[in-house]
Amino acid sequence: QVQLQESGPVLVRPSGTLSLTCAVSGDSISGSNWWSWVRQTPGKGLEWIGEIFHTGGTTYNPSLRSRVAMSLDKSKNQISVSLNSVTAADTALYYCARQSGGTMDHWGQGTLVTVSS
Amino acid sequence: DIQMSQSPSTLSATVGDRVTITCRASQSISGWLAWYQHKPGKAPKLLMFKASVLESGVPSRFSGSGSGREYTLTISTLQPDDFATYYCQQYNSYPYTFGQGTKLEVK
Repeated sequence: QVQLQESGPVLVRPSGTLSLTCAVSGDSISGSNWWSWVRQTPGKGLEWIGEIFHTGGTTYNPSLRSRVAMSLDKSKNQISVSLNSVTAADTALYYCARQSGGTMDHWGQGTLVTVSS
Repeated sequence: DIQMSQSPSTLSATVGDRVTITCRASQSISGWLAWYQHKPGKAPKLLMFKASVLESGVPSRFSGSGSGREYTLTISTLQPDDFATYYCQQYNSYPYTFGQGTKLEVK
C-alpha cells in the first residue's frame, strides 16, 4: 500500500523559503513513476507545482519555475520541494503525490503552510 | 496553460440521484483527463483516467465520457459516501491544470 506523508514548517515568514519533505512508503521513488507536488489555495484551487523523477529530472510549472526546486533522497525514500521568496499568496495546503502517466494516483493528506510575519 | 472549467460549482443532490459534472478545457486535450474525489482532511482520490477508464477499486456507479474539449463525470446512483468535492485535471500538456472543483452536497 503506497503511502505519502508531507512534513515541514507550518509557518514561514514573508520573503523566506518554504521547504517541505514527503516520505514515501510502499513504493520506491527510484522506480518508474514521477513524483509531484500540488498545492491548494482558496483563490486558485489546485495548482500543480511540478514533478521529479529518480534521475533528478524535473518539470516545473512556469508560474513558479523561478522560485521552486525539487530534490529527492533515495536513501530515505523521500522527495522535497522548496519555494523561495514566499508571499501570502503561497499560503496553501501542500500535497505530494505519485504520478502515473500524468495522473496522480496516490496522494498524501497534505500539510498546511501559512506565510505570515 | 490549458484552462479547465467545471460546472456546476455546487451540486445539491439526494442519495439515489443520478448526477453529472461537466469539465471543459480551453483547447482539446485528446482525452487526457482525470477525475478526483476529495473529502476534507483526506488525500484526494483518483477516480478515473483517460477520460473514461475507472481506477482500480472505484465503484462502477462512477463513469466518465467525453472527447476534445468537453468531458463529464456521472454517478449513476448516488451513495452517502459520494458527497465530496470533485476535480478534473488535464495531463495533455504541461503545466498540468485542474478544474476549480464541484462540491456535491446533500440537498
